[in-house]
Amino acid sequence: SQQGEEDPQALSIQEGENATMNCSYKTSINNLQWYRQNSGRGLVHLILIRSNEREKHSGRLRVTLDTSKKSSSLLITASRAADTASYFCATDGAGNQFYFGTGTSLTVIP
Amino acid sequence: DAGVIQSPRHEVTEMGQEVTLRCKPISGHNSLFWYRQTMMRGLELLIYFNNNVPIDDSGMPEDRFSAKMPNASFSTLKIQPSEPRDSAVYFCASRGYGNQPQHFGDGTRLSIL
Repeated sequence: SQQGEEDPQALSIQEGENATMNCSYKTSINNLQWYRQNSGRGLVHLILIRSNEREKHSGRLRVTLDTSKKSSSLLITASRAADTASYFCATDGAGNQFYFGTGTSLTVIP
Repeated sequence: DAGVIQSPRHEVTEMGQEVTLRCKPISGHNSLFWYRQTMMRGLELLIYFNNNVPIDDSGMPEDRFSAKMPNASFSTLKIQPSEPRDSAVYFCASRGYGNQPQHFGDGTRLSIL
């Protein structure tokens, strides 16, 4: 069964606005990762946050992790049309248990 | 770095036929994963290998599916016999030692008629 679930399932925003996606998971993790998938392509790794970290930044991406609530959020600031894609969280738990969430489809309108 | 290479990119075949999907992981990576993606079920982990050894195949749907990794640079996922409900995009991913990110191929889009 899938470990992570993203919210919302779909998000549509204007270029320049910020986009926030949330991920909830069920069991203990070593780290949580966010991936992006463009239409017709494989997933591409964006950022990894370890279980002992609370926040991480990479360019226009900001990820938070709350292990007490078993949740994470991905913020994309100053969105661009090229950010249009599906975004997935993935949890990496004990014993190499690796689960992807259901994904958030982001549309950035120019 | 050539990335993870999957072949074929597209496969269309009739039900009952045998289908073989191929994957070449990134050189030096020791873990390899096979996933299936559909609109209804999202991204499902089918099986993964560590150092060429299958570790968890609990996601393999049924006995019609089998996967092998004869060496560190090649893996296959076979479906025999294929059924229309097997239609999906199949991804292969690899990663290096430790809790490293996975690197995905561009997938094989499989259509079973």
